[in-house]
Amino acid sequence: DAGVTQSPTHLIKTRGQQVTLRCSPISGHKSVSWYQQVLGQGPQFIFQYYEKEERGRGNFPDRFSARQFPNYSSELNVNALLLGDSALYLCASSPTGSGEKLFFGSGTQLSVL
Amino acid sequence: GQQLNQSPQSMFIQEGEDVSMNCTSSSIFNTWLWYKQDPGEGPVLLIALYKAGELTSNGRLTAQFGITRKDSFLNISASIPSDVGIYFCAGLRGTYKYIFGTGTRLKVLA
Repeated sequence: DAGVTQSPTHLIKTRGQQVTLRCSPISGHKSVSWYQQVLGQGPQFIFQYYEKEERGRGNFPDRFSARQFPNYSSELNVNALLLGDSALYLCASSPTGSGEKLFFGSGTQLSVL
Repeated sequence: GQQLNQSPQSMFIQEGEDVSMNCTSSSIFNTWLWYKQDPGEGPVLLIALYKAGELTSNGRLTAQFGITRKDSFLNISASIPSDVGIYFCAGLRGTYKYIFGTGTRLKVLA
């Protein structure tokens, strides 16, 4: 079975641009979480979605938004990119998202110039 | 953002040695997860802990959920070169938000 897949793997943008990152969860998993990992730090929680509904949001500005589709895949959108948005963006899936194991994809490395 | 304290921050060990690392917090957590991450890759789940005092093994890895629910420990026995990487703990806040640690960077000398 395929694990969590993310696309693209790498992305280079300039300040002020917008970016969309994509994630497909493990088959049968209905919950997707997004995390941001800045170089040298642990991942930081951005969003969790379950059954297309946002269940929680971390301490990130409104420039960050996400959605989940009927097939449980998800997109993370970041508007008006800043240099500080450069990071590895990780998607994690779990069956229901309630106190379960999180399984991560390989991430999308975003560089903002 | 909030991160849990992990120690040591980094360590160099000889192949064959045992390794111990821990993760501490001022808050109580309901679940602890331990991950290993290689450069440019996503974290890979090693062990999950669900009850205070729980001791769980996965091959050469053993992890424990602290009795106070504010800490967790990971031990690696008889380290090998492929154990190199960054180890992260993650504590569950509420029902869906995991708080990650600052990471322990392990380097194994052959």
